[in-house]
Amino acid sequence: AQTVTQSQPEMSVQEAETVTLSCTYDTSESNYYLFWYKQPPSRQMILVIRQEAYKQQNATENRFSVNFQKAAKSFSLKISDSQLGDTAMYFCAFRYNYGQNFVFGPGTRLSVLP
Amino acid sequence: DGGITQSPKYLFRKEGQNVTLSCEQNLNHDAMYWYRQDPGQGLRLIYYSQIVNDFQKGDIAEGYSVSREKKESFPLTVTSAQKNPTAFYLCASSASSTGRNQPQHFGDGTRLSIL
Repeated sequence: AQTVTQSQPEMSVQEAETVTLSCTYDTSESNYYLFWYKQPPSRQMILVIRQEAYKQQNATENRFSVNFQKAAKSFSLKISDSQLGDTAMYFCAFRYNYGQNFVFGPGTRLSVLP
Repeated sequence: DGGITQSPKYLFRKEGQNVTLSCEQNLNHDAMYWYRQDPGQGLRLIYYSQIVNDFQKGDIAEGYSVSREKKESFPLTVTSAQKNPTAFYLCASSASSTGRNQPQHFGDGTRLSIL
């Protein structure tokens, strides 16, 4: 079975600073997709960023970027210039190239402090 | 606007009662999913469906049932066999034939509690 691990249950960061959330996964496949989702206190799941495994270039979306290390099976999320609205649970997710299912990590609770 | 609608937002179940959670999407997605989320926890897959009239069990299907009679709809029934149903339930959908890089889109969830 494929697994996704997020080793940091909780993190905090001062407003305007940078924070990195870690994610590792286990797979024998070479083609797959990775995602980061954000779940604020409203409980809505919001897509933050996605990465195709066949692309070497790291994905970037405004203040959010990833560090994708395929050989190490690592997919960390960097949030720059943290804002109070970034306070949320963050879930890393994995999807096979051929499958329908997504595998989610247990989440990291991020608190941005004023 | 396209999206996923879950209803009701809050639901209460009496002992021995079956309850049904609604999930409707107008994104023309083939695949639909149901997840359970317990407080402070991640998402666990209950059931998923790739096409109409077909669905598969996820990791925690016991005590739940689903149907997929229409592409747009994927209701979840929490049966009396589910002894600990109190949780937050999320419905999601994704495109299947147009590329695996397509993410899941989520509804706003239903919070189910035991009376």
